[in-house]
Amino acid sequence: NAGVTQTPKFRVLKTGQSMTLLCAQDMNHEYMYWYRQDPGMGLRLIHYSVGEGTTAKGEVPDGYNVSRLKKQNFLLGLESAAPSQTSVYFCASSYPRQRGGQETQYFGPGTRLLVL
Amino acid sequence: SQQGEEDPQALSIQEGENATMNCSYKTSINNLQWYRQNSGRGLVHLILIRSNEREKHSGRLRVTLDTSKKSSSLLITASRAADTASYFCATVFFGNEKLTFGTGTRLTIIP
Repeated sequence: NAGVTQTPKFRVLKTGQSMTLLCAQDMNHEYMYWYRQDPGMGLRLIHYSVGEGTTAKGEVPDGYNVSRLKKQNFLLGLESAAPSQTSVYFCASSYPRQRGGQETQYFGPGTRLLVL
Repeated sequence: SQQGEEDPQALSIQEGENATMNCSYKTSINNLQWYRQNSGRGLVHLILIRSNEREKHSGRLRVTLDTSKKSSSLLITASRAADTASYFCATVFFGNEKLTFGTGTRLTIIP
């Protein structure tokens, strides 16, 4: 199993450009998450999904959109990139609590995004 | 913000010594988890402790939870160079499937 994979690993954008980050998991997890990590800030939740076709806002959703068309994929979109969105983005997945899982989240390797 | 706070922010110890880091949080939790992040990598789950548990062990890791003080500690015994990483606590609040991460402790093991 590959676990959680993220594409791309690194990207440079100019202000105003758009891009989509792709997250894929092969563990049949129902829950998926997008976080951003900034120095000294820990991880902050951007958006999450509790199942195919559903999404919800997290702590810092502004400037981002997401889609979960397939259970195994979770896409994060930046419609008009801003320098404040320079960060490392992590995707994660987990079982829901009622499945008897321990709510452990499994993380991808991250995508480094630089917005100039 | 309900974000947890780790203490210390950074810790350097000699290989073989024990490392202790602490986490405090503000509201009642369902469980608390510890994660490790090696430089440039994603987070890896280490251990989960539920609100009705006081102590858990996993290999060289020992986690304690004091719900009356809203705090947890992670002890790594007999540290190794490979333990060099950042360690994050994350809390799950009742009725909420989401993790809230702390700001992390940067641990450096000196060979």
